[in-house]
Amino acid sequence: QKEVEQNSGPLSVPEGAIASLNCTYSDRGSQSFFWYRQYSGKSPELIMSIYSNGDKEDGRFTAQLNKASQYVSLLIRDSQPSDSATYLCAVNRPDYGQNFVFGPGTRLSVLP
Amino acid sequence: DVKVTQSSRYLVKRTGEKVFLECVQDMDHENMFWYRQDPGLGLRLIYFSYDVKMKEKGDIPEGYSVSREKKERFSLILESASTNQTSMYLCASSQGQGQYGYTFGSGTRLTVV
Repeated sequence: QKEVEQNSGPLSVPEGAIASLNCTYSDRGSQSFFWYRQYSGKSPELIMSIYSNGDKEDGRFTAQLNKASQYVSLLIRDSQPSDSATYLCAVNRPDYGQNFVFGPGTRLSVLP
Repeated sequence: DVKVTQSSRYLVKRTGEKVFLECVQDMDHENMFWYRQDPGLGLRLIYFSYDVKMKEKGDIPEGYSVSREKKERFSLILESASTNQTSMYLCASSQGQGQYGYTFGSGTRLTVV
């Protein structure tokens, strides 16, 4: 089993819709979870972090964490064409120097 | 604006060459990382450092080494470049361990011919 899994996509949603991006992880000891956005040809940029079960909202973005199910999600409300990018889920590895392992990313396309 | 700066955006090197990739951060971060990113394989950790003079192997250290003589600078070294090291190399830094996200550099696209 891979450490962090995401659907590769592409996930296509119409402009104004809610985009839902999902991530599962294998290490039950993980405590920190991040979402990065990566535009084509650019480096990843941090958009959200979450550490506790439940929801965390920041503008149009909501991160959701369920540690019992080992599941993290990112919701993007009122999706815009500028949200079209690859979204990477990152999970810390407490038994390996506390660095992060990244999922393969989900490519999101928001259609005008 | 805080930054992680990678010295080269594109590099072309020949097989067998020794290659240096430089990364400098101006955020006074303790932790620095080198990843490579390949289509279908995602981001993979090569080496990381939590302190000056300290370095730890990541998931794919073979064929690479690193140097961290100063806090702000973390260099990746390809001892003898091979074609399978053609990739996008990303340097990152973070404020602390585990609970802080990364700031990435703009990346170096290395082609080994």
